[in-house]
Amino acid sequence: QQPVQSPQAVILREGEDAVINCSSSKALYSVHWYRQKHGEAPVFLMILLKGGEQKGHEKISASFNEKKQQSSLYLTASQLSYSGTYFCGTEGAGGTSYGKLTFGQGTILTVHP
Amino acid sequence: GAVVSQHPSRVICKSGTSVKIECRSLDFQATTMFWYRQFPKKSLMLMATSNEGSKATYEQGVEKDKFLINHASLTLSTLTVTSAHPEDSSFYICSATSGGADTQYFGPGTRLTVL
Repeated sequence: QQPVQSPQAVILREGEDAVINCSSSKALYSVHWYRQKHGEAPVFLMILLKGGEQKGHEKISASFNEKKQQSSLYLTASQLSYSGTYFCGTEGAGGTSYGKLTFGQGTILTVHP
Repeated sequence: GAVVSQHPSRVICKSGTSVKIECRSLDFQATTMFWYRQFPKKSLMLMATSNEGSKATYEQGVEKDKFLINHASLTLSTLTVTSAHPEDSSFYICSATSGGADTQYFGPGTRLTVL
């Protein structure tokens, strides 16, 4: 089942912050975050496995809620290089997915000078 | 580390011909490789999961006779689009993982255009 990402698009000025959400109707095994630039392959940002987990660094971080149904990606003090489409990829709970990810529809982030 | 390559990066072919796309993990052994298809401004749609030495598992709606996948070694998987038609034109991306919930590392993608 495809996770739902919100918002669909975000426009920022350099230095502003953004939050991208990824929600599932069922508990997940893991959430993976990727950024894709136009015409290029997705680049891995981070993976979250534990309920209540928060990881990343000062500029780009993510959280996974206790129920493991919702994750958020936090972009702080955005830079021009942050522009791109952000995807969350989710692996369903139950251990039968064998690493298969279902990707959300993507969030287009545009950072202006 | 964790570099995945794809070849070719771009291919244009005539309708009815077959096209082979290679996906290689350069610095790790990939027990599992995944093949995705992505239309412009759309999400990545999983086509099939490929495990070394066994038959690929195809997602619902993906024709296994049209999209032939071979995972001959721990570092190489190939996708062959047989009898390609214009509607097969798309961006095909592979990813590789060493198994389980490990990170999927994506190749640079192959843009296929069928005339």
